[in-house]
Amino acid sequence: QVQVVQSGAEVEKPGASVKVSCKASGNTFTDYWIHWVRQAPGQGLEWMAMINPSLGRTTYAQKFQGRLVMTSDSSTSSFYMHLSSLTSEDTAMYFCVYSKYYYASGAPDYWGPGTLVTVSS
Amino acid sequence: QSVLTQPPSASGTPGQRVAISCSGVTSNIGSNTVNWYQQLPGTTPKLLIYSGDQRPSGVPDRFSGSMSGTSASLAISGLQSEDEAEYYCAAWDDRLNGRLFGGGTKVTVL
Repeated sequence: QVQVVQSGAEVEKPGASVKVSCKASGNTFTDYWIHWVRQAPGQGLEWMAMINPSLGRTTYAQKFQGRLVMTSDSSTSSFYMHLSSLTSEDTAMYFCVYSKYYYASGAPDYWGPGTLVTVSS
Repeated sequence: QSVLTQPPSASGTPGQRVAISCSGVTSNIGSNTVNWYQQLPGTTPKLLIYSGDQRPSGVPDRFSGSMSGTSASLAISGLQSEDEAEYYCAAWDDRLNGRLFGGGTKVTVL
């Protein structure tokens, strides 16, 4: 069983940036695709992007291209989501999801507990 | 507006069977398998079904999934009060090169 942990809640002002981290137990750094999914208060789930460091591949949803950057750190087996030019519409819970496949099916996936990002002046 | 279409709500009495549909197109459900998630208020989505019809260990066999053409379905048999939650379908879309989620279906146990 893969256990995923994420960084703590963040409060940012409009126009600022936020960086959320994600890490899983075990030898997972090179074996999984890491997807980022967000959920605004009272709303549904929205896929943002995915990264696979061993393949050097990163894919972003068109909506976030230009202000979302995903990175990874092999020394700590951690993944990071950096979202810039924040507005109130970015207030949401951000989840990282470990999946064996880029298409996120074919095998069980593992979700982090979520990181609440609040954008408020 | 979600590209994967789910009914906003469904309901049943304890012990009944409830089915939730998820409608897509060729580039998503027509080409890739579907996952289903259950989300209780204030919690992380929990994987119920992957690859269209596979249950992860620990998920009761009351939950079953199926796919046909460009649609998928989640069935809950022997409905229980703890099944009251939001349910989401998800699938990869080859045309958008990204993952899609349905809008969610709120299941109420009457």
